[in-house]
Amino acid sequence: GAVVSQHPSRVICKSGTSVKIECRSLDFQATTMFWYRQFPKQSLMLMATSNEGSKATYEQGVEKDKFLINHASLTLSTLTVTSAHPEDSSFYICSARGRGRTGASEQYFGPGTRLTVT
Amino acid sequence: DAKTTQPNSMESNEEEPVHLPCNHSTISGTDYIHWYRQLPSQGPEYVIHGLTSNVNNRMASLAIAEDRKSSTLILHRATLRDAAVYYCILRDVGGYDKVIFGPGTSLSVIP
Repeated sequence: GAVVSQHPSRVICKSGTSVKIECRSLDFQATTMFWYRQFPKQSLMLMATSNEGSKATYEQGVEKDKFLINHASLTLSTLTVTSAHPEDSSFYICSARGRGRTGASEQYFGPGTRLTVT
Repeated sequence: DAKTTQPNSMESNEEEPVHLPCNHSTISGTDYIHWYRQLPSQGPEYVIHGLTSNVNNRMASLAIAEDRKSSTLILHRATLRDAAVYYCILRDVGGYDKVIFGPGTSLSVIP
């Protein structure tokens, strides 16, 4: 299957600072990217959907000014957690959707980024 | 969104088959049944999907009930590496929907 990478895999930041997480589709063009958040012992929660060159669409309850999403190219999306607080500590997972080899739309997931805010 | 229900957790002995059930009584005619799994501290990975007929791949088999209101993911020989959370998700045939995760089934494999 296609490969989606995330960087960094782990990050620790101080409360009040901002942190940027990158998501890249390595061998296909991702027309749509998704960002999920997962707290311990819980399922993945969709935060937002972004299409290349457009503003992201946020799920209900997700603060768009706190979680800035940029999808500037067909292979890169970034999530910036602004003014991070300890309650933002979580596992952030991106997902990319694009045309697979069969031509069908498929969605692939990154390995996740563990954010710890101290 | 059409919903699925799965048991919260299951256990299996290593090297034995595992049958993970999923109920989706409100499935529509254009919904594919997808299975993903998430190993500890990793992102989800695709396992298998099907529409009406049973499907096999190198990872697992998918058995779909004739009325499509339920399905079963079959791991033919569980290994310790199969310990994960397994998610059964309905997706529109076009694949342009968002993947929404439920609680899934946490599978433990006993050595």
